[in-house]
Amino acid sequence: AQTVTQSQPEMSVQEAETVTLSCTYDTSESDYYLFWYKQPPSRQMILVIRQEAYKQQNATENRFSVNFQKAAKSFSLKISDSQLGDAAMYFCAYRRRSGTYKYIFGTGTRLKVLA
Amino acid sequence: EAGVTQFPSHSVIEKGQTVTLRCDPISGHDNLYWYRRVMGKEIKFLLHFVKESKQDESGMPNNRFLAERTGGTYSTLKVQPAELEDSGVYFCASSQDPRVGKNIQYFGAGTRLSVL
Repeated sequence: AQTVTQSQPEMSVQEAETVTLSCTYDTSESDYYLFWYKQPPSRQMILVIRQEAYKQQNATENRFSVNFQKAAKSFSLKISDSQLGDAAMYFCAYRRRSGTYKYIFGTGTRLKVLA
Repeated sequence: EAGVTQFPSHSVIEKGQTVTLRCDPISGHDNLYWYRRVMGKEIKFLLHFVKESKQDESGMPNNRFLAERTGGTYSTLKVQPAELEDSGVYFCASSQDPRVGKNIQYFGAGTRLSVL
């Protein structure tokens, strides 16, 4: 069975600094998707960034980028130039490419941004 | 375009009572998912609808939980009778056809259920 592990329950970063959130996963599949979602307090969970396992190039979305290490089964999220609006709960998720479409989530990392 | 909406946002009930949660997916999304997060733990999958049919209900914890999606539009998740361990945040998500490349699931803000 697939599992996703986020080992950092809480992280803090100074505004304008860079922070990296960790995520590791376990799967025997070779093709899958990985996601980072962000949930601000009492608001909808929104997609931050997505990575397709067959693509070696790390995904980037503006200030957000990932370090995808397929062999190590690691998928960390780097947030550059942190802003107050980045404060949220961040969830790492895995989905098989086919067969079942459910997401498997980690336990989340709460990110605090200090002014 | 409206996102995924869930209500109520918060429900407080006593053990043994019944609660019904509702989810309105994004218009045109045939795929609807329910997830649950118990305090401090991971978000866990409950079930997946394609239109009005249950595609995957492998995550439903027991027969006290009943999910419906009559007409393939909104969905309800009923818990009857509620137990203390049912407390948590229930998320709904919707998507277009997941077999097609890059589609993602869009989530609602969740319903926080507290069973006392």
